Amino acid sequence: AQSVTQLGSHVSVSEGALVLLRCNYSSSVPPYLFWYVQYPNQGLQLLLKYTSAATLVKGINGFEAEFKKSETSFHLTKPSAHMSDAAEYFCAVNRGSTLGRLYFGRGTQLTVWP
Amino acid sequence: GAGVSQTPSNKVTEKGKYVELRCDPISGHTALYWYRQSLGQGPEFLIYFQGTGAADDSGLPNDRFFAVRPEGSVSTLKIQRTERGDSAMYLCASSLGAADTQYFGPGTRLTVL
Repeated sequence: AQSVTQLGSHVSVSEGALVLLRCNYSSSVPPYLFWYVQYPNQGLQLLLKYTSAATLVKGINGFEAEFKKSETSFHLTKPSAHMSDAAEYFCAVNRGSTLGRLYFGRGTQLTVWP
Repeated sequence: GAGVSQTPSNKVTEKGKYVELRCDPISGHTALYWYRQSLGQGPEFLIYFQGTGAADDSGLPNDRFFAVRPEGSVSTLKIQRTERGDSAMYLCASSLGAADTQYFGPGTRLTVL
């Protein structure tokens, strides 16, 4: 069963514009949620994670995400896009019943136009 | 400190051959994971080690795939009788424990001709 859905495989924004990358999850238990970024020919780097503390999570590079249980969402935002933000972004969930393995979404490729 | 390292960075092999992919985790991390990422997809879980033992190997696609971690540090993913469909990026990650943040290596890109 699909655990993580990322809406939009490609998102394009202008430099300085708001970035919004969508992630919805399905989990019968409170999950841990993550956003990772992958630059070309590199491994995944953690942007931020939610572990049932504050619902608004701040990460690196000005990104943040809000956990909304009622909407089963964990969307990633950044107020002002920078050219260096162009990369692929993955949402992932670590469910309590299978702690250890991460379930990833298909990824969203972010393009930033000058 | 040193992150997760993987060797080789690229591996090209012929259909039917045997390959080994190596992962060096962050020192002190007891948990180690292997994932496979096909083009245009997110990483898919293969296997998770806690110490020397495989705590969850339910993601291994078939019996051609096997992984070991004999001393609780370095791990090797072994693929027998490779098939063209095995071509992918193989990612390794490590963490302090199962509930902790996973740190990923740069991956090994496997191409089966």
